[in-house]
Amino acid sequence: ETGVTQSPTHLIKTRGQQVTLRCSSQSGHNTVSWYQQALGQGPQFIFQYYREEENGRGNFPPRFSGLQFPNYSSELNVNALELDDSALYLCASSPGTNREQYFGPGTRLTVT
Amino acid sequence: GNSVTQMEGPVTLSEEAFLTINCTYTATGYPSLFWYVQYPGEGLQLLLKATKADDKGSNKGFEATYRKETTSFHLEKGSVQVSDSAVYFCALSDQETSGSRLTFGEGTQLTVNP
Repeated sequence: ETGVTQSPTHLIKTRGQQVTLRCSSQSGHNTVSWYQQALGQGPQFIFQYYREEENGRGNFPPRFSGLQFPNYSSELNVNALELDDSALYLCASSPGTNREQYFGPGTRLTVT
Repeated sequence: GNSVTQMEGPVTLSEEAFLTINCTYTATGYPSLFWYVQYPGEGLQLLLKATKADDKGSNKGFEATYRKETTSFHLEKGSVQVSDSAVYFCALSDQETSGSRLTFGEGTQLTVNP
């Protein structure tokens, strides 16, 4: 059984640019959550998608947006990148909205 | 709102020492509590969990007991190994107030020396 995968592994962008991060959920999982982990900090909840609909959002501005596809894979889009967006972005999938979350390895985003 | 506070780190121990990492939480509902571990360059792995008061979660020699009266979920291991070196995160999920989103503490870096 394939676990949660994320791409790319690392990414370097310039301030003001836009970025798209991708996540493939574990087989049988219909829920995907995204977290931002700044260096030396715990992960912060960005939002969750359940069956292609947003199902909760954390304290992040609208330039953070997402999408979930019919196969339950997901994208995180960030517009107008700022230096503080530099972080590890973690995706977690689960077989339901109140079930255990399984994390991917993350995408390391560096904004210069 | 919900919050999790972990003991300040980092923690450095010798192999076979006893480990305690303190975790306290604030939540308005009845949260589930978790410990996650993050090895260098990797994502988070669930180490153990407890879903109600007085439950004890355990895995790989690690244990934590859900203490509602002290709002705590301290992680313990009787004899640590070098391979336990990692960052440990305490987290909660409060279905009543925030759905299944996880709220994490800031993490505790554990280094075990041979």
